This record gives sequence, C-alpha cells and structure tokens, in this order.
Amino acid sequence: NAGVMQNPRHLVRRRGQEARLRCSPMKGHSHVYWYRQLPEEGLKFMVYLQKENIIDESGMPKERFSAEFPKEGPSILRIQQVVRGDSAAYFCASSPGQETYGYTFGSGTRLTVV
Amino acid sequence: AQKITQTQPGMFVQEKEAVTLDCTYDTSDPSYGLFWYKQPSSGEMIFLIYQGSYDQQNATEGRYSLNFQKARKSANLVISASQLGDSAMYFCAMREVGTYKYIFGTGTRLKVLA
Repeated sequence: NAGVMQNPRHLVRRRGQEARLRCSPMKGHSHVYWYRQLPEEGLKFMVYLQKENIIDESGMPKERFSAEFPKEGPSILRIQQVVRGDSAAYFCASSPGQETYGYTFGSGTRLTVV
Repeated sequence: AQKITQTQPGMFVQEKEAVTLDCTYDTSDPSYGLFWYKQPSSGEMIFLIYQGSYDQQNATEGRYSLNFQKARKSANLVISASQLGDSAMYFCAMREVGTYKYIFGTGTRLKVLA
C-alpha cells in the first residue's frame, strides 16, 4: 500500500514561471492537506481539500496560489508567477477522514526559484 | 491561540547516550494531540510518536518516549541509546481534537557524535 506520493521531488523555476506540485494520497484517503516549510522553519498549514472541494484555504497566500483535488487524479498545488520567496518545501498529507488522530506526510517537493 | 515552542535550535549527543528534546505548548482546548516528527537530511517527515491529552501514561515507541507533563504543558521527546542515524531535525506538533491543522514548532537539529 503506497504512501502519499508527491512529485516532483525537486522543482526549479525561474521567476515569473508557474509551478505545479502534485500529490497522490494514500489509497482510500479522500482528505488532502498541503503544508509549506520555509527554510529553517516548521511546517505551516496552507489548505485542506476533499475530492472536488476546498474545505479550508486560510493558510494560502491570497494571490498566485491555488489548489485543487479533482474527482480523478492527484491534488495539485499551483503557484503562478513564482517569486524567490516561494522557495520552500511543500508537503502534502492525506487521511481517510477528518477525525483521524494523525496523518501521513509525503516526502515533499522542494521548490527553488531562481 | 495555539502555539508550540522548541527552544533548542541545535543539540549534540554522544552515540549510545540518551537525549531530551524540549517542547512546550499552549492551548485552551482540553482535548488535543501532541506529535513528534523526524526530518532527516533527505527531507521527508517521519512520524515518531503521539500523545493524547487524556492519555494516562507517557507514550513510548521503541527508543522514543514522550515525557508528558500536562500541568507544565510540556511534551519532551526522549531518545534513548542514540544512534548516528538519529541525526536529523525534530519537530514537535500539536493538533486539537476535532480539527485538522497541525501547529508545528520551529524544530531542533540533533547531531549524534561518534
């Protein structure tokens, strides 16, 4: 039973380009969470999605960032017109339901903006 | 507001010795969970141990134990018989029951010396 799969592991983008980060949850999990880890910091919540629904995006920057979790396929975190400050590790986690005591993180995508 | 504080940015320990990583937390909710994660240099987040706020006994998982002092709002991680492979960043996190957001501390970088 594969864990949470994130790809790519590393992504380099030039300023102004778009970054698309993918997350495939564990089998049977319909809840997905995205967190961002800036250098030398802990993870910070960005967004919580269920299939075809955004439940809570209170941690998402107001501009340039969007997330989706379609009926079929992985969850996508999209960053438009990237800037150097977007350089970070982006982690995805999944759970079968909201009330589980803990959830499994993927290995993360390290985004570097040059 | 919820908060996790890890006051030790870096720690050294001799191989085979025990080490304690500090974590204090703040919450007004009586129901919560406390978590420790390990982040090796490869970057993934590895779940280590969980303590529920109503658990009567301190959690243990192999060489990891959680020294839970509820009145002091502390949840220190104790690693016994340190190994070189324990060198990593360690994050303390909290989640209130019924919510889905983790609050992470800023981490402690542990270096095990041969």
